[in-house]
Amino acid sequence: EPEVTQTPSHQVTQMGQEVILRCVPISNHLYFYWYRQILGQKVEFLVSFYNNEISEKSEIFDDQFSVERPDGSNFTLKIRSTKLEDSAMYFCASSAEAEKLFFGSGTQLSVL
Amino acid sequence: GDSVTQMEGPVTLSEEAFLTINCTYTATGYPSLFWYVQYPGEGLQLLLKATKADDKGSNKGFEATYRKETTSFHLEKGSVQVSDSAVYFCALSRNQAGTALIFGKGTTLSVSS
Repeated sequence: EPEVTQTPSHQVTQMGQEVILRCVPISNHLYFYWYRQILGQKVEFLVSFYNNEISEKSEIFDDQFSVERPDGSNFTLKIRSTKLEDSAMYFCASSAEAEKLFFGSGTQLSVL
Repeated sequence: GDSVTQMEGPVTLSEEAFLTINCTYTATGYPSLFWYVQYPGEGLQLLLKATKADDKGSNKGFEATYRKETTSFHLEKGSVQVSDSAVYFCALSRNQAGTALIFGKGTTLSVSS
């Protein structure tokens, strides 16, 4: 069964550093998403992406965040200057149609 | 804004016990409702969904009924197994591709033999 792949599974970085989280969505999917979950809190929507542009973003997704689909297979989330409060599990998802999202297993980001 | 509230965990049950995980929502309009499950070390997987009032979603012995009058979508299973141990997330969406799913905090279920 096709799946969404995320790398790395764990990322440790120093505060102020840039990080790039990578995702390979399912190949025929057209909609891509990033979510995050801070330990003990809700899974929060960050951004959705369709047709090479952002279709929706949350208040969390400020100027420090950006997304890109650099080629036909990858979908990346960049955090320009990480803060301690960016520490969370980041989930990528993709879908071919409304609502049926397929999630990756997540990248645990730790900002020290 | 739209939101989902689900019961705090963890929920600890013995095998073959009855499971209920409560979920209520706040939303404008007529959202679709979902239960996702996350097994250890894996991503979230869609367990079941319902798209309109009184619909019942079901999968793998789990059921949930969309109750508009009580704005609820409680997850139930008549007889849990050890393999059901996971984190369960209730979620809603505004029925448009590319828009956000709004999740609850998740409820951890632990089933012992």
